[in-house]
Amino acid sequence: AQTVTQSQPEMSVQEAETVTLSCTYDTSESDYYLFWYKQPPSRQMILVIRQEAYKQQNATENRFSVNFQKAAKSFSLKISDSQLGDAAMYFCAYRSFGGSEKLVFGKGTKLTVNP
Amino acid sequence: DTAVSQTPKYLVTQMGNDKSIKCEQNLGHDTMYWYKQDSKKFLKIMFSYNNKELIINETVPNRFSPKSPDKAHLNLHINSLELGDSAVYFCASSPLENTEAFFGQGTRLTVV
Repeated sequence: AQTVTQSQPEMSVQEAETVTLSCTYDTSESDYYLFWYKQPPSRQMILVIRQEAYKQQNATENRFSVNFQKAAKSFSLKISDSQLGDAAMYFCAYRSFGGSEKLVFGKGTKLTVNP
Repeated sequence: DTAVSQTPKYLVTQMGNDKSIKCEQNLGHDTMYWYKQDSKKFLKIMFSYNNKELIINETVPNRFSPKSPDKAHLNLHINSLELGDSAVYFCASSPLENTEAFFGQGTRLTVV
């Protein structure tokens, strides 16, 4: 079974600075998807970024980018120019390639952004 | 234009009661899910349905029964509620092409 580990229960960053959230995963599969979801206090689960394992290029979405190291099974999220609105729980998630597959989540990292 | 909507958003009930949470998606997705988020924020799959057919049932007590009348709806019925059932329950959907899952806003269930 796949597992996802987020080793940083909490992180903090100064507004406008850069922060990196760590995620490692364990799988024997070669094709899969990785995601970062954001959960602000409103509780809504919001997709931040997605990475397909077969793609070597790291995904980017505006201020959010990932460092995907397939051999090391590592998938970190970098947030540049942090904003107050980035404060939230961030969840790393794994999904097998195939129909109707579930998401396997890490335990989350609580990010605080200090003004 | 809510993509995945759950009702109610909040539910407070007494132990032993039976309650239902409804979920509807207007995205045309084939697969729907129920996830449970516990008090430590850990998210775990409970069930998934593909076009009304049960695909995943992850060691959930029999008191929990999902029902999918059509592929746009997946409801969760819980019998004989216990204190430990208190959690946030999320409905989600995704297309078969394996993009990300789209989540509802969650239902906070409190059993007293």
